[in-house]
Amino acid sequence: SQQGEEDPQALSIQEGENATMNCSYKTSINNLQWYRQNSGRGLVHLILIRSNEREKHSGRLRVTLDTSKKSSSLLITASRAADTASYFCATDASGGSYIPTFGRGTSLIVHP
Amino acid sequence: DTEVTQTPKHLVMGMTNKKSLKCEQHMGHRAMYWYKQKAKKPPELMFVYSYEKLSINESVPSRFSPECPNSSLLNLHLHALQPEDSALYLCASSQDLSAAENTEAFFGQGTRLTVV
Repeated sequence: SQQGEEDPQALSIQEGENATMNCSYKTSINNLQWYRQNSGRGLVHLILIRSNEREKHSGRLRVTLDTSKKSSSLLITASRAADTASYFCATDASGGSYIPTFGRGTSLIVHP
Repeated sequence: DTEVTQTPKHLVMGMTNKKSLKCEQHMGHRAMYWYKQKAKKPPELMFVYSYEKLSINESVPSRFSPECPNSSLLNLHLHALQPEDSALYLCASSQDLSAAENTEAFFGQGTRLTVV
C-alpha cells in the first residue's frame, strides 16, 4: 500500500528555475528517501533523511523533513533539462524494517 | 560494483508461456526485492528476501513465483500470466532489512513485460 503522497503530481518549469516537490505520509517512519526515475526505467537514489534529521543537502538538492507534520520536501535548485523525470518519495514500512514504500510521484518537466 | 543487473530488458510472452526474470547483484547485499510498476504509477512491492529466505509476500498471485538460489541472485518465475500483468518489473537490493543501517536501495533498470 502507498505510504507517501507527492504534491504536485505534475510540475512544468523553465531551466534555471527551482523545483519544489512535497511528500506527505501517514505513519511513523525510520527513514524517508527520494528517488528519480527517467522514462519508466530504473530508480536512482537521490538522498535519504532519517527521522531524527531535519534537513540534508546534496549538490543542487535540498531535502527537509517535518515529522510533526509527517511531510518532506525536495528542492532542486537551478534546474536543468536533464532533471526532467519522475520523482518519488519512499518511506520505510512499519516494524522497523528497511522496505521502501513509494508514494505516487511527481512528474517534473524542465523546459530548455 | 554498485549495479543491480536485470535480464531480459524486454519480454513478450503469451498467456500459456513459462518465463523467468533474473536479477543479480555483487554488492554483498542480503536483502533483495521485487517491485511491479504500471505506467504512471509508483512501484508496488511484491516480494522481499532476507538472507535468501522469503520474508514478505504482498499477497501476490501464485502465477508469480520468486526464487533466491544464492545471495547474489533473485529470480521471478512467471506462468499463466494475464494481460493485466504487463508492467515494468523492478529488482532492488539493500545491505539488509535493518532500517538503522541502510542508506539506500539499489534498483535495476527493470524488465518491461508484455503479456499477449
